[in-house]
Amino acid sequence: SQTIHQWPATLVQPVGSPLSLECTVEGTSNPNLYWYRQAAGRGLQLLFYSVGIGQISSEVPQNLSASRPQDRQFILSSKKLLLSDSGFYLCAWRSRAMRGNSGNTIYFGEGSWLTVV
Amino acid sequence: QKEVEQNSGPLSVPEGAIASLNCTYSDRGSQSFFWYRQYSGKSPELIMSIYSNGDKEDGRFTAQLNKASQYVSLLIRDSQPSDSATYLCAARPNAGGTSYGKLTFGQGTILTVHP
Repeated sequence: SQTIHQWPATLVQPVGSPLSLECTVEGTSNPNLYWYRQAAGRGLQLLFYSVGIGQISSEVPQNLSASRPQDRQFILSSKKLLLSDSGFYLCAWRSRAMRGNSGNTIYFGEGSWLTVV
Repeated sequence: QKEVEQNSGPLSVPEGAIASLNCTYSDRGSQSFFWYRQYSGKSPELIMSIYSNGDKEDGRFTAQLNKASQYVSLLIRDSQPSDSATYLCAARPNAGGTSYGKLTFGQGTILTVHP
């Protein structure tokens, strides 16, 4: 079965410090990968998605970047954090092997709580 | 701007009652719709997916889709305190095959089931 792992689970970072959140998927190959952010009391905002190694698309201009160095690894980074970067970050995956509507479901990792102080 | 709208609530129902959660979407071409449940401090987990007009039942949950009205709903029968959570509605935009599985989420409805 497929699993997705995300870490760290919680972190508190000062303004201006760097950030690295990592996500790995097991049990599948060539998945679509996504980074979402959820601000307090708000819905999920798609930040980045990737359809393959080295292929990153950004949905929202911001202080963050993403990379996919391996097929099942997705990394979210920042060189200098802002207060507004605080939130709940979620990595998600979708199978590209399943066709039609069944392949549309995305599954989330455990999430990473980021507080910028 | 493709949007998914939900009543943020909170919606409060007594234990054993039917909880009704509603969602509308603006992209008329959307084909796939999802309901996720999110407990406080946790990540969303998939409850139901629905693709065709009508009802889809899974245990105590029934999803309803009306594409003509661009409306999706989730009914929870025999509500339990453990159903208390935020429920997120999501739609897959129709982007001519280039949506890459991206989902657009509503802001979520907070449901509280009280004993």
